[in-house]
Amino acid sequence: GAGVSQSPSNKVTEKGKDVELRCDPISGHTALYWYRQSLGQGLEFLIYFQGNSAPDKSGLPSDRFSAERTGGSVSTLTIQRTQQEDSAVYLCASSLTPGTPVGGTGLHYGYTFGSGTRLTVV
Amino acid sequence: AQKITQTQPGMFVQEKEAVTLDCTYDTSDQSYGLFWYKQPSSGEMIFLIYQGSYDEQNATEGRYSLNFQKARKSANLVISASQLGDSAMYFCAMSPTGTASKLTFGTGTRLQVTL
Repeated sequence: GAGVSQSPSNKVTEKGKDVELRCDPISGHTALYWYRQSLGQGLEFLIYFQGNSAPDKSGLPSDRFSAERTGGSVSTLTIQRTQQEDSAVYLCASSLTPGTPVGGTGLHYGYTFGSGTRLTVV
Repeated sequence: AQKITQTQPGMFVQEKEAVTLDCTYDTSDQSYGLFWYKQPSSGEMIFLIYQGSYDEQNATEGRYSLNFQKARKSANLVISASQLGDSAMYFCAMSPTGTASKLTFGTGTRLQVTL
């Protein structure tokens, strides 16, 4: 697609329920990232997928969080047994293959963000 | 490990004036990239400008320029001729170059442009 697509845009769930958040990256982007942004805060890295390599899960806050990326494209972030502190905006981004030039003053990897999923746990 | 520090939680600027948003960083990587993103109230992250650590000239993109001082490890964003539509959160971020890797973000600066 033309941009990074995330669904749903808003999700309200009861404490203890599981939720799945979806990210559809830009076609041809091999890298995909999940970030979390709590109210009024910066972006907190969660997980990063690059091609067929093992994902970098170093940012996942607990074992209730997991993510998968099927066929090198769509990714799903799953939060099990949601807690109120999980309430945040979950942002997905994708980027080009390393070394592919992007317009501008230098080489970079064209990180493009989706519009996010606002998760509210009540 | 990489760290980004933005010390200005909020800034005000009058329309048509220039404003500088501060960003300092710390990294052990020899090659890295520095980014600025704008996040309006709608929540999307909009890429503004990029500076590579080996780029000798400061990056410019329209009204945005990046004042890169490598020895001081600073990458301040300068917005010239501010417009009301510039009111937003601004995030500085960095990543190592050579491979697409995660961006590390600062805590952001909220810019308010006034009449």
